[in-house]
Amino acid sequence: QQQVKQSPQSLIVQKGGISIINCAYENTAFDYFPWYQQFPGKGPALLIAIRPDVSEKKEGRFTISFNKSAKQFSLHIMDSQPGDSATYFCAAPSGGYNKLIFGAGTRLAVHP
Amino acid sequence: DSGVTQTPKHLITATGQRVTLRCSPRSGDLSVYWYQQSLDQGLQFLIQYYNGEERAKGNILERFSAQQFPDLHSELNLSSLELGDSALYFCASSVDRAGNYGYTFGSGTRLTVV
Repeated sequence: QQQVKQSPQSLIVQKGGISIINCAYENTAFDYFPWYQQFPGKGPALLIAIRPDVSEKKEGRFTISFNKSAKQFSLHIMDSQPGDSATYFCAAPSGGYNKLIFGAGTRLAVHP
Repeated sequence: DSGVTQTPKHLITATGQRVTLRCSPRSGDLSVYWYQQSLDQGLQFLIQYYNGEERAKGNILERFSAQQFPDLHSELNLSSLELGDSALYFCASSVDRAGNYGYTFGSGTRLTVV
């Protein structure tokens, strides 16, 4: 089964720092790469997504960088805030019918 | 409120029992997806329904089954429950048009098997 490999498993960043989470995928047919944010006790929520025809997408403090040749994409959180403390999941569609497969998740803690 | 409603929010039951989790998708969404999230684990895809028909199946146990009804709500049935079935069960919905992968998740049902 196609996989999406996410790292690191956990990340601690100081307030104001940059958080970087990476994902690697296998299937070159993937054409949509979203990141989801999940707070404790809540369902994941779409944070930002990119298609492979662009190398970078920025929304506020959140940026996705996409490297098609390396089959990797990453999430950068600039000026990280304590409110960004959450679990982040990368994902990619797999097997048709818009089914998403998710990475294992990264637990981010931003310390004040 | 995401627009995807899951009930109940919490469920505690004994081993060997059967439970039903319910999901109402966001208005206009035809696809429903079920995911399992165990403690400190990622989201494991269980099954997808589109407009009442099963579309895709993941690593769903034979003890688990699901269906989507004509009003598009979906139910996930878990039977012969084991301690290891304790997890968060999420439902997500999408419009499921070609190239549109946007998922909206519900808040989940936390199942505890004792």
